[in-house]
Amino acid sequence: DAGVTQSPTHLIKTRGQQVTLRCSPKSGHDTVSWYQQALGQGPQFIFQYYEEEERQRGNFPDRFSGHQFPNYSSELNVNALLLGDSALYLCASSWDSSYNEQFFGPGTRLTVL
Amino acid sequence: AQSVSQHNHHVILSEAASLELGCNYSYGGTVNLFWYVQYPGQHLQLLLKYFSGDPLVKGIKGFEAEFIKSKFSFNLRKPSVQWSDTAEYFCAVNPATDSWGKLQFGAGTQVVVTP
Repeated sequence: DAGVTQSPTHLIKTRGQQVTLRCSPKSGHDTVSWYQQALGQGPQFIFQYYEEEERQRGNFPDRFSGHQFPNYSSELNVNALLLGDSALYLCASSWDSSYNEQFFGPGTRLTVL
Repeated sequence: AQSVSQHNHHVILSEAASLELGCNYSYGGTVNLFWYVQYPGQHLQLLLKYFSGDPLVKGIKGFEAEFIKSKFSFNLRKPSVQWSDTAEYFCAVNPATDSWGKLQFGAGTQVVVTP
């Protein structure tokens, strides 16, 4: 059983560009959450998708958007990249409800030059 | 503002030593509490969690944590560490009013266990 997978592993972009990161949840999971982990910090919640809708959002600007597909996979899009967007982006999946463990993927390392 | 604080950023200790990592949170209401671990080159994975009941919870690999409500703390312990416990440890909080599981993490503690 594959766990949470993310692609790409690494990505280098320049300021002002747009980026799309992808996540496939663990089999049987229907909820996907995205986190940003800057160097030396803990993960920060970006948003969560359930039933193809964004149902919860952290303190991130509208430049950060996402999508969930009918197969529960998800994308994170970031527009107008800033240097400060450089971070490890983590995807976590779970079966709906806060009582269910969130399983994390390996992350996508985004570098903005 | 609600926050999660981990007391130490780096801890270095020898094999067989005891480990205790501090975690304090500032939420006023009921919370669900978690410790996650990230071994070198691996994904974040759940060590243990507390939702209710016995405030002393046991997790994988011999770890345990104690919830002290009056101190808003959830400290992680292991009586005798091994070299394989070298990892980064994150405390995380989810307000019980949030039924969808959003996690707020502390900054993490890097633990290095020397042979």
